[in-house]
Amino acid sequence: QKEVEQNSGPLSVPEGAIASLNCTYSDRGSQSFFWYRQYSGKSPELIMFIYSNGDKEDGRFTAQLNKASQYVSLLIRDSQPSDSATYLCAVRYGGSQGNLIFGKGTKLSVKP
Amino acid sequence: GAGVSQTPSNKVTEKGKYVELRCDPISGHTALYWYRQSLGQGPEFLIYFQGTGAADDSGLPNDRFFAVRPEGSVSTLKIQRTERGDSAVYLCASSPGGGREQYFGPGTRLTVT
Repeated sequence: QKEVEQNSGPLSVPEGAIASLNCTYSDRGSQSFFWYRQYSGKSPELIMFIYSNGDKEDGRFTAQLNKASQYVSLLIRDSQPSDSATYLCAVRYGGSQGNLIFGKGTKLSVKP
Repeated sequence: GAGVSQTPSNKVTEKGKYVELRCDPISGHTALYWYRQSLGQGPEFLIYFQGTGAADDSGLPNDRFFAVRPEGSVSTLKIQRTERGDSAVYLCASSPGGGREQYFGPGTRLTVT
């Protein structure tokens, strides 16, 4: 059973702080990793994707991948109240034809 | 450019009825995916099209569910003999190619009464 695990939260951080969201996955053959943001009642919105070990930065967001530990994280710097949402981690497993396996999401709350 | 569009945005139907949900992907995207999402859960994969053909339908829960993409663009998800357990948000996503990043539409909220 291929699984993607996330802490459901809620994770509460003060405005301006760094929010750290974590995800683990079960299959070492995984190839691609994605972070989606989902506001309540809305569909998932792609924030970041990462394919190689290491860090990938885009504005206030940094995705970190460690394939040896089967761990991927998302850091949000200078968190804003508008970042309050559920963050979904998704993994494309090796050998799959493209479908993603999603975690249940971590709810982030940024307090002004 | 225009994103993924889905119609209807909401659908209420009675148990046992047939429904069709439509997805119009981003222009030029060859890969199209259907997922469904229940409250408090992440999206769950249903079916993946590469062009006109279903490349992976392993996520369809049973034979009441069927999807088509006859011209390699618009896709329709069809559910026969709906059950209350089919109630969920049905999400469509498209991608420039299999294995690439996926972009979601707004979803169709299906309620079976």
